[in-house]
Amino acid sequence: QQPVQSPQAVILREGEDAVINCSSSKALYSVHWYRQKHGEAPVFLMILLKGGEQKGHEKISASFNEKKQQSSLYLTASQLSYSGTYFCGTPTNFGNEKLTFGTGTRLTIIP
Amino acid sequence: DVKVTQSSRYLVKRTGEKVFLECVQDMDHENMFWYRQDPGLGLRLIYFSYDVKMKEKGDIPEGYSVSREKKERFSLILESASTNQTSMYLCASSPGGGRRLGQYFGPGTRLTVT
Repeated sequence: QQPVQSPQAVILREGEDAVINCSSSKALYSVHWYRQKHGEAPVFLMILLKGGEQKGHEKISASFNEKKQQSSLYLTASQLSYSGTYFCGTPTNFGNEKLTFGTGTRLTIIP
Repeated sequence: DVKVTQSSRYLVKRTGEKVFLECVQDMDHENMFWYRQDPGLGLRLIYFSYDVKMKEKGDIPEGYSVSREKKERFSLILESASTNQTSMYLCASSPGGGRRLGQYFGPGTRLTVT
């Protein structure tokens, strides 16, 4: 089953903050986050492993709560360059390299 | 920088044709993947290869096959193209070997089957 992302789309003004959530109905071992700009390939942002760790990339950080089977991506003081579609991906099984991706969250940043 | 290249950015084929999509990565990665991307459905895995000549089915393998004869090259084959295979096809690679690192994607091939 695909992880569920919310919201499906969000529009922000430059400088505002956003949170994108990724939830799974089954146990999560790790969560990958990717960003895809319009007309480009997805780009890897970060991976979070079991242990509730947080990671950061620029002003983008993420948390992972394996008990709640969810991860959240936090975009702080958003910039125009953050626009794109964000995908979370979760392994199909423990230790598996195959990912199942969510349907994505489209983020639009306006000046 | 890891580079993943795909043979064509755009491809138009007729129903029933055999179609080959080629993908090459230059970082000696063990894993390679083929996805299709459709609006509202996200990225769906077609096939995964973890070594030369080794492959696993993904979520939507029907109508597709793959070939990996060399480590750097992973081919997706549509044996008899159909209109419902019109889509964006993305190839990706990752280091593998238990290293929990991300996947690197190619630019994609937009395939239209008429």
